Formats: sequence, C-alpha cells, structure tokens
Amino acid sequence: DIVMTQSPDSLAVSLGERATINCKSSQTVLDSSNNKNYLAWYQQKPGQPPKLLIYWASTRESGVPDRFSGSGSGTDFTLTISSLQAEDVAVYYCQQYSGTPPIFTFGPGTKVDIK
Amino acid sequence: QVQLQESGPGLVKPSGTLSLTCAVSGGSISTNNWWIWVRQPPGKGLEWIGEIYHSGSTYYNPSLKSRVTMSVDNSKNQFSLKLSSVTAADTAVYYCAREGVRAAFDIWGQGTMVTVSS
Repeated sequence: DIVMTQSPDSLAVSLGERATINCKSSQTVLDSSNNKNYLAWYQQKPGQPPKLLIYWASTRESGVPDRFSGSGSGTDFTLTISSLQAEDVAVYYCQQYSGTPPIFTFGPGTKVDIK
Repeated sequence: QVQLQESGPGLVKPSGTLSLTCAVSGGSISTNNWWIWVRQPPGKGLEWIGEIYHSGSTYYNPSLKSRVTMSVDNSKNQFSLKLSSVTAADTAVYYCAREGVRAAFDIWGQGTMVTVSS
C-alpha cells in the first residue's frame, strides 16, 4: 500500500511570514511516460469541502493566489505559502495518484494557524 | 459552472446499506471526467472511496471494494454510491467530486454527514 506522510502535523506562522508543508510518498508518483508528478494539494477550512490548490505537484489551480506554490518530484514534495494571510488558516492535505488500477491516497493533513 | 450536490439518508443502521446520490448541475456528466466519492470521518482525514466514468467503468479503493457499488444515470445527470454492511466506522461526511485534470479533484459537493447507528 502507498503511504503518504506530512510534516509537520501542525504549524503556527506569523502573518506575512512563510509557511512550508512537506509531503512524502512511500512510492514515486512520477509517471515516466509523461514526466508528470501526480501529486495534488488541497486546503480545507472548517465545515467546508476541500479546495484544490495545486495539481501535478506545481501547477496552480485557476484562481488560487500566487502566494501558494508547490514543488518536488518523485517522492518528496513541498507546499509553500509565501506570505501567510489570515484566510489561509486551514488544514492542508496532499494527495497522490497511482495508476493501473488507479488509487488515490491522501496524506494525514497539516493544520496551519496564525502565531 | 459545474456544481455537485450530495443527497441521501443521514442515518443508517448497522449492517445496513448506505446509499447516496450526487446530482451534477451546470454541465453534463457525460464528459471526459471521472466522478469521485471521498469520505471524511469526524475530526479525521480524507479517504478516496472510488470513481466512475459516464460509461459505467469503475475503480474502487481496495480497502472498501467488497462493499462498494457505484453507478451512473446519464439521463438524470447523476451518479450514486452504495456501501453495504456498514458499521460505526463508516460514519463520516461523504463528498462527491469531479476529477478535472488527471489525478486532481477540482470540484466538490458540500458533503453530507452519514451516521451509522441503531
């Protein structure tokens, strides 16, 4: 089974400061046939469904502020919020896809708060 | 824009079958997208249940495969989830979603809470 881990479990960052969340997959999520890393990031606020922020490891979803960025390849990935805003308080999840047959696995989540 | 709305009983008895429907509005279900079910137990993380294509092709989470059935009704523009032999561990918010680009879920329903209890 593919296992996703995230670190830290939670973090508190001052407004305007950088927040960094790490995600690690037990198996590579790189599809060598098209060089795509099938890793997505979601933001979930209390009482709301998850919201897609980043897909294919580093492609920002339409309408997502550019302070959110994703990086990494293979098994290790990072979500960075360059300048934390009050509305960014949420739980962030990474999610991987492996094909044939397709399986999607989410990380356990990282809670981001204001310091 | 495409919107999703889950519906179904909020309370299911243990050993019974959980049945939910996701209505797709603002667009056709018969597009080149897979349609997803995800669940989230109270205070916990997200779990992919499975996905279905408008042709009826399905893929399920191996951990739930023996209990899950998904179906699609193109004429009603909706898709459905059935989970059998439920226990308290199946208590969760159930979300339907769309897989936009491959491997990312870009549109989500608001979710519906299902409690398994006698």
